[in-house]
Amino acid sequence: DQQVKQNSPSLRVQEGRISILNCDYTNSMFDYFLWYKKYPAEGPTFLISISSIKDKNEDGRFTVFLNKSAKHLSLHIVPSQPGDSAVYFCAASARLDQFYFGTGTSLTVIP
Amino acid sequence: KAGVTQTPRYLIKTRGQQVTLSCSPISGHRSVSWYQQTPGQGLQFLFEYFSETQRNKGNFPGRFSGRQFSNSRSEMNVSTLELGDSALYLCASRGTMNTEAFFGQGTRLTVV
Repeated sequence: DQQVKQNSPSLRVQEGRISILNCDYTNSMFDYFLWYKKYPAEGPTFLISISSIKDKNEDGRFTVFLNKSAKHLSLHIVPSQPGDSAVYFCAASARLDQFYFGTGTSLTVIP
Repeated sequence: KAGVTQTPRYLIKTRGQQVTLSCSPISGHRSVSWYQQTPGQGLQFLFEYFSETQRNKGNFPGRFSGRQFSNSRSEMNVSTLELGDSALYLCASRGTMNTEAFFGQGTRLTVV
């Protein structure tokens, strides 16, 4: 049972435009959410996180939005750069529990 | 500060054999988690250890086991390897709960 879902396996965006990656979850007990970026042959790298007491968190070009009522999480990258091309995973956890990861979205930023 | 180190990076084993993978967490981190990544399946949680105790366990068969040592280093063992065990195995460490986990580069296991 996939508790965290990324329904778009891939996304292509023009350089300079906004990339929006989406994530849905089913467990209302989740209170901590993260996004990771992964290049081939490397481990995932932490990007940004948000706790359930917030609905938005920004870090440079990356902003994560949390809609608790819809159980929906999104990552906005503005402006998108070719170096952002990677697989992006969202993850969620409930207090003292493990991380649950989505299946990933492969982002391609076209120069 | 050194990151999470996984050894070996690549491994080829024959069906039926067993394998042991190693993970050294970031210094000071006591929590180590293991994940299996296969194409289209994302990161599937195997188990988490904290202070030498297994704290959480995913839905994997008993062929998959792990342990953690007093220095927080962790090992994962897979016995009676099957072709479907071919995957990237990732280890992650974190200092406290509800903080981000830091991943190693993974061990690419191929079962032939």
